[in-house]
Amino acid sequence: SQQGEEDPQALSIQEGENATMNCSYKTSINNLQWYRQNSGRGLVHLILIRSNEREKHSGRLRVTLDTSKKSSSLLITASRAADTASYFCATGLGMDMGRRALTFGSGTRLQVQP
Amino acid sequence: EPEVTQTPSHQVTQMGQEVILRCVPISNHLYFYWYRQILGQKVEFLVSFYNNEISEKSEIFDDQFSVERPDGSNFTLKIRSTKLEDSAMYFCASSGGRDRVLDEQFFGPGTRLTVL
Repeated sequence: SQQGEEDPQALSIQEGENATMNCSYKTSINNLQWYRQNSGRGLVHLILIRSNEREKHSGRLRVTLDTSKKSSSLLITASRAADTASYFCATGLGMDMGRRALTFGSGTRLQVQP
Repeated sequence: EPEVTQTPSHQVTQMGQEVILRCVPISNHLYFYWYRQILGQKVEFLVSFYNNEISEKSEIFDDQFSVERPDGSNFTLKIRSTKLEDSAMYFCASSGGRDRVLDEQFFGPGTRLTVL
């Protein structure tokens, strides 16, 4: 089974529009993290949401988590051309489980047209 | 803002050769990781390291791989005898410093390994 699958695979929007990306996962988790990756570059940590949280904000980012549906969404409001990147969700079982590995999804490629 | 650094940015090697990829984690972090991303594929976990020992490893991390923290700042990944399929971007990450959320992992820019 696949853990952490994003949809859509690709998303193209105009600058100023909102972008929503979704992530589904299969197993129980302790936390879910979103990362951004510019083409050929490293992974930039955006936000972490824990399994007992439903929503979290950071600047123009809003993340929701629905553990009953095993899904999360990342909303970027008022998008900018600089937001063009791939976005990945990564699930973790948590340090207190002795498991530290993150399991990444395939990512959503976001293109923001100026 | 402190960040994870990795060297070299690009390594080209011949099949069968040994390579060492180097990382300097964020200075007050306690947990260190290696991941890899084969071109066009997902980021995959290789190994985590804490208190000078491996705490978790994936099936990918076989006997050809080893990790070491040779001093107080560096964290290395060694591949003993490289294969063509080891060609990938290798990411180092760290987490768990004082006043930090332990689970947040911060990644370096990666080393692109090309095996010919």
